[in-house]
Amino acid sequence: AQSVSQHNHHVILSEAASLELGCNYSYGGTVNLFWYVQYPGQHLQLLLKYFSGDPLVKGIKGFEAEFIKSKFSFNLRKPSVQWSDTAEYFCAVNGMNTGFQKLVFGTGTRLLVSP
Amino acid sequence: GAVVSQHPSWVICKSGTSVKIECRSLDFQATTMFWYRQFPKQSLMLMATSNEGSKATYEQGVEKDKFLINHASLTLSTLTVTSAHPEDSSFYICSAHQGLAGRTQYFGPGTRLLVL
Repeated sequence: AQSVSQHNHHVILSEAASLELGCNYSYGGTVNLFWYVQYPGQHLQLLLKYFSGDPLVKGIKGFEAEFIKSKFSFNLRKPSVQWSDTAEYFCAVNGMNTGFQKLVFGTGTRLLVSP
Repeated sequence: GAVVSQHPSWVICKSGTSVKIECRSLDFQATTMFWYRQFPKQSLMLMATSNEGSKATYEQGVEKDKFLINHASLTLSTLTVTSAHPEDSSFYICSAHQGLAGRTQYFGPGTRLLVL
């Protein structure tokens, strides 16, 4: 079975600091990888996704993520965070073994950006 | 595009009653929809996969007689929590695949259920 781990449960940064959130998954086959964001009081929104091709994926709002297959990782990065990036971030994976149907989520990382 | 709505956004009910939650894909057809449950400060747990015109597939440990799912059209799936109890209080979220071969799930805003 697939699993996703997000090592940082809480991250506190000042505005303009750089961000990197870790995500590792366990599944040896072909995977699709996603980062979703949940702003306070809002629903999950897709930040970016990786299906194939260039392992460096650019998403919305200046976020990017890099798929490193050898490390089973898909870390999320942003060079300079803003107060408005305060939210909870979820890494998720679906694999070929489920026909890319079932999303497995990590436990989430709560990011607080102080102004 | 790819907007998913849920109704109601929150509901309070008495123990023993049933509650129906609707999930709609507003601008696309969704052959597959998913129902999740999110506990406070926890991640989303998949409850079931809802396929249009067929029976839902439930995850291990989810009671199918307790959580009835109907996916009668390409834009609507419903989750009915039958004989609700306080332990069913939670945040229920649906999602939908965009397109027949879609691999990206788009999420609804969620429904917060409180059972008294």
